Amino acid sequence: RKEVEQDPGPFNVPEGATVAFNCTYSNSASQSFFWYRQDCRKEPKLLMSVYSSGNEDGRFTAQLNRASQYISLLIRDSKLSDSATYLCVVNMGPRGSTLGRLYFGRGTQLTVWP
Amino acid sequence: EAGVTQFPSHSVIEKGQTVTLRCDPISGHDNLYWYRRVMGKEIKFLLHFVKESKQDESGMPNNRFLAERTGGTYSTLKVQPAELEDSGVYFCASSQVGGRAGADTQYFGPGTRLTVL
Repeated sequence: RKEVEQDPGPFNVPEGATVAFNCTYSNSASQSFFWYRQDCRKEPKLLMSVYSSGNEDGRFTAQLNRASQYISLLIRDSKLSDSATYLCVVNMGPRGSTLGRLYFGRGTQLTVWP
Repeated sequence: EAGVTQFPSHSVIEKGQTVTLRCDPISGHDNLYWYRRVMGKEIKFLLHFVKESKQDESGMPNNRFLAERTGGTYSTLKVQPAELEDSGVYFCASSQVGGRAGADTQYFGPGTRLTVL
């Protein structure tokens, strides 16, 4: 079983739509969780960290459910510029630890159309 | 502040040849990581340096891969001899050690696209 599983999509939504991505992880010892964004042929860039209580950054909301080992990302009021691949990423170590190895999902592809 | 840089951006070599990839982390970042994405698969960890020491090399596929970080600054990843299955995008990332919140965020370089023919 893969460490991180994501629905690959693709998700095709109109501008202004709300879209949600889900992700599950297999190792209950995982401690740090992230969403990265990757544009075509570019490097992954951190979109947001995911905290236990859930967190929001503008139009983006991330949630973590440790009991179900489930992470979500909600994008409200989608923009054309949100089109990208969204990567669910997990680290077994706590924030700031030297256990730096990241485990990636295969990514969920989003296309926002006008 | 300059980001993580990688060289070359693309490399096309024949099976059996040797290729060396270079990564320059963000200045002051002690942590340096190598990852690889092969076509159709997820990005996978290869190894992690803290300064010049290998913290974790459990992701290295086999002994044809050799990573070094002499002096704790830039790192090289050499593949010798290259095989067809080594084709993919090799990403380097760096992060600071401990400290303020968010200091362990890994910043990725643009990657080296390796094609082995």
